[in-house]
Amino acid sequence: EAQVTQNPRYLITVTGKKLTVTCSQNMNHEYMSWYRQDPGLGLRQIYYSMNVEVTDKGDVPEGYKVSRKEKRNFPLILESPSPNQTSLYFCASSSPGQGNYEQYFGPGTRLTVT
Amino acid sequence: KQEVTQIPAALSVPEGENLVLNCSFTDSAIYNLQWFRQDPGKGLTSLLLIQSSQREQTSGRLNASLDKSSGRSTLYIAASQPGDSATYLCAVKDVNAGKSTFGDGTTLTVKP
Repeated sequence: EAQVTQNPRYLITVTGKKLTVTCSQNMNHEYMSWYRQDPGLGLRQIYYSMNVEVTDKGDVPEGYKVSRKEKRNFPLILESPSPNQTSLYFCASSSPGQGNYEQYFGPGTRLTVT
Repeated sequence: KQEVTQIPAALSVPEGENLVLNCSFTDSAIYNLQWFRQDPGKGLTSLLLIQSSQREQTSGRLNASLDKSSGRSTLYIAASQPGDSATYLCAVKDVNAGKSTFGDGTTLTVKP
């Protein structure tokens, strides 16, 4: 089944404790993105990647890091999480050759930073 | 910077009514526009995608149109049902196909 998976689905952590949220897709998509969703602010793009080793900032990259060492994986790293990074995070993937960059989303990761 | 606006923010209709959701964007240099549905606390489900060269797309009771020159898209839902109750989001992808911008969504309630 074609899908985007994220782990963990729920995470409660403390300020300053480094964490990684993983994202993996099995559709051989070139493009992958991370978004955060907050009440009243909607979905905002954090980072995106157009292929292996190619990443770029979205609208809200501060406090986040990403890497794209393999085509299928695009982890989101919070080196020193803060309470304002409490949010619902989504990973998405797309491809020019399959659906004309139609975005497929993962189920989301709900992060709480205390 | 691209800005996407969805009007209305909320809409309540009786079952069976036809309805239109609106999405407007400020920069017409887009690659595509995609409509999503999101149920409370859940992920995003893709409904329709319109390429910048297209005018409309249809899937079942849903029809999405795109007027790139005026920066507008509409999602038409025919014969609404209570199961259509959800938040509907539109997203535009920039011409470089990397950056995407979402609207804040329209929350639809269909009353039986």
